[in-house]
Amino acid sequence: EAQVTQNPRYLITVTGKKLTVTCSQNMNHEYMSWYRQDPGLGLRQIYYSMNVEVTDKGDVPEGYKVSRKEKRNFPLILESPSPNQTSLYFCASSLDFGSSGNTIYFGEGSWLTVV
Amino acid sequence: SQQGEEDPQALSIQEGENATMNCSYKTSINNLQWYRQNSGRGLVHLILIRSNEREKHSGRLRVTLDTSKKSSSLLITASRAADTASYFCALSGTYKYIFGTGTRLKVLA
Repeated sequence: EAQVTQNPRYLITVTGKKLTVTCSQNMNHEYMSWYRQDPGLGLRQIYYSMNVEVTDKGDVPEGYKVSRKEKRNFPLILESPSPNQTSLYFCASSLDFGSSGNTIYFGEGSWLTVV
Repeated sequence: SQQGEEDPQALSIQEGENATMNCSYKTSINNLQWYRQNSGRGLVHLILIRSNEREKHSGRLRVTLDTSKKSSSLLITASRAADTASYFCALSGTYKYIFGTGTRLKVLA
């Protein structure tokens, strides 16, 4: 079954404590990205990756890091989380980034609360 | 900004009625997609329409695209309570997909 799996699904953490949200896809997709969703702001892209070792900033990258060492995995790292990073996070993947358009597959989301 | 703007922001209808939501955007596009999100869950792809298409159907869904007006609409016919969700349009920007803020649809049984 085509899947994007992200963990943890729910996390409460304290300010400054580094955390990693993992993301894995089983579809051999080249394109992966991270979004955060906040009320009234829709989905905003944090980082994206066109392929292994190719990553770039999205619209709201401050306070986040990513890596793409393997095609299937695209972890999101919060080096020093702050309360304004409390949000619902989504990992997503698609076959590639083509002008013809590809279906984007989303993970189930990770609810992160920073206190 | 290339962000799609959906309207209305929220829509409440009775079961059996049709629901129409719109997406407007500012730049030229190659394609536009619509997604559905059940509360707090991941988004699920509904339909894609390319810039050279004007209308597309999928089951009870009908999508139109007017590139001259830079707008698209999603029509859900004969709505059901299970259609209650948020609906987003997504545009292909420069190496990224850009989502609108969504329309929250509530279908009353």
